Amino acid sequence: DTEVTQTPKHLVMGMTNKKSLKCEQHMGHRAMYWYKQKAKKPPELMFVYSYEKLSINESVPSRFSPECPNSSLLNLHLHALQPEDSALYLCASSQRVADQPQHFGDGTRLSIL
Amino acid sequence: QKEVEQNSGPLSVPEGAIASLNCTYSDRGSQSFFWYRQYSGKSPELIMSIYSNGDKEDGRFTAQLNKASQYVSLLIRDSQPSDSATYLCAAEPGGADGLTFGKGTHLIIQP
Repeated sequence: DTEVTQTPKHLVMGMTNKKSLKCEQHMGHRAMYWYKQKAKKPPELMFVYSYEKLSINESVPSRFSPECPNSSLLNLHLHALQPEDSALYLCASSQRVADQPQHFGDGTRLSIL
Repeated sequence: QKEVEQNSGPLSVPEGAIASLNCTYSDRGSQSFFWYRQYSGKSPELIMSIYSNGDKEDGRFTAQLNKASQYVSLLIRDSQPSDSATYLCAAEPGGADGLTFGKGTHLIIQP
């Protein structure tokens, strides 16, 4: 069991759907991250939030929209995704953005039809 | 461009032997280094973190860092079949840039 909880675990959606991925941590961490991982590839950083403010957006398409409602929650809103967006989406958190290990949730496996 | 390089393997090691995993990084500004273990279909699990030159031991795992050579390694003693996984090396430059991962080394422990 991980201390970073992601829901849902699996999601299948059409290209015209709107859905959201959710992430929650109760470790008091002030940095949260979204990564995308394709099969047999390493995780790729998408977004970094530090103290609930977006600090890094790694040139991610606008069809992915992050939101950090409070220090424990992180959402990723999805709209008009493409089949190539099918991947494992990982949330992570750390005490702060620098020099601290990141702890990952179990991920959401996303399939775009 | 910040890069982390790992031999993708597979690296096959007999049960009970020492598994040695290596990693190099390109960004001299990198300050923090992490090893993650990832089983197929699962998320990365933190194994070790290391911040200063030298060795750091935790149970059967030893991480080694040499900043002059830009080299990080992970030794696994008394390898067990349950150690079979992909091991990801990650580097974090100073600041808020997030982690840069290597492509991972697929380790197979042969019973």
